[in-house]
Amino acid sequence: DAGITQSPRHKVTETGTPVTLRCHQTENHRYMYWYRQDPGHGLRLIHYSYGVKDTDKGEVSDGYSVSRSKTEDFLLTLESATSSQTSVYFCAIRTGEQETQYFGPGTRLLVL
Amino acid sequence: RKEVEQDPGPFNVPEGATVAFNCTYSNSASQSFFWYRQDCRKEPKLLMSVYSSGNEDGRFTAQLNRASQYISLLIRDSKLSDSATYLCVVNRGSYIPTFGRGTSLIVHP
Repeated sequence: DAGITQSPRHKVTETGTPVTLRCHQTENHRYMYWYRQDPGHGLRLIHYSYGVKDTDKGEVSDGYSVSRSKTEDFLLTLESATSSQTSVYFCAIRTGEQETQYFGPGTRLLVL
Repeated sequence: RKEVEQDPGPFNVPEGATVAFNCTYSNSASQSFFWYRQDCRKEPKLLMSVYSSGNEDGRFTAQLNRASQYISLLIRDSKLSDSATYLCVVNRGSYIPTFGRGTSLIVHP
């Protein structure tokens, strides 16, 4: 257990509304990631962070923004949700020693 | 060619069988390798790292073949509880690992 929590765990929202997902870690890891997982696509990186206020885009960043104002929190925002953003969102941290990633329990988002 | 490729399966095997999965990667500069397990509607969880000399953890054996650029996972004496999707992960030494799409394993009685 890498001390990663995600909130909310489930969310239903309407097209056009803003949505923010939160990832919280308790072990002071430097690197944090947001992925989405969809059938037929596997895990796809949305954004990642390598420190407070240091973030960068992944392969599917369009329509998403992130913020990291504290080491322990990494927020993912959908500025105006679309149905194509219906997915399962996983947050992950990276441990320094073995370069392994550990995932949070996921957030299931449904955009109607 | 995708950077990391896996046969999606499903591999359908009886309890007690031995089953093996391969994962090929395209970047010869890849440095570290892992297998993850993902149960239905759950997060991926680290199963084992893959070392150059090969490594074993109970019924699971992982091997790396750098010359042919693939890693493998062997599961002996399959259990019903081994049913899951197995993800191959390759790291080029950057901070962005590359995930395969996974291989589905179904172990039946």
